[in-house]
Amino acid sequence: KQEVTQIPAALSVPEGENLVLNCSFTDSAIYNLQWFRQDPGKGLTSLLLIQSSQREQTSGRLNASLDKSSGRSTLYIAASQPGDSATYLCAPSSNTGKLIFGQGTTLQVKP
Amino acid sequence: NAGVTQTPKFRILKIGQSMTLQCTQDMNHNYMYWYRQDPGMGLKLIYYSVGAGITDKGEVPNGYNVSRSTTEDFPLRLELAAPSQTSVYFCASRNRDLGTGELFFGEGSRLTVL
Repeated sequence: KQEVTQIPAALSVPEGENLVLNCSFTDSAIYNLQWFRQDPGKGLTSLLLIQSSQREQTSGRLNASLDKSSGRSTLYIAASQPGDSATYLCAPSSNTGKLIFGQGTTLQVKP
Repeated sequence: NAGVTQTPKFRILKIGQSMTLQCTQDMNHNYMYWYRQDPGMGLKLIYYSVGAGITDKGEVPNGYNVSRSTTEDFPLRLELAAPSQTSVYFCASRNRDLGTGELFFGEGSRLTVL
């Protein structure tokens, strides 16, 4: 049974800091892993998708890494901005098709 | 492309009523999912389908039913609505066998049971 844990649950940082969000999963037989952003009261926006054969993906100030064998992914945000304030969710997709989400990390970036 | 379309966007139900949340995708995706999100919480998987005629339970299936008679549609049925089913429901889809397998979401359906 896949279990997904995101640490920390909440994070508050001053603007400009670099930060790392962590995602761990118990079943390493995954197809891919996707990171999403969710603003309060809104839907989910896809940020990055990493295939199981890849080690990392980059988009602008965001970099996601994947270590499938250890069941871990990290989302690195460089030079954080107040506009980055949101909840970040990871979703490793198992080979069976089942797709479970972590509880999310709520990020607040203070000006 | 419309992507993933959910209807209705908002609905208020009385306890014991039944209703169906509709989900349609026009991307020829084989995998479809229903999630619920309670306030301040993450997404919980209700049911999923890996193709027409195939459905499977997720983490929180009790009180819900689904069907997948076509590739495009994946309706979620609530029988005998209860206050505990007050939540925001998200439908999602992806193509597991072609491309990246990226997951696409609908905009959500906000359901209140009173």
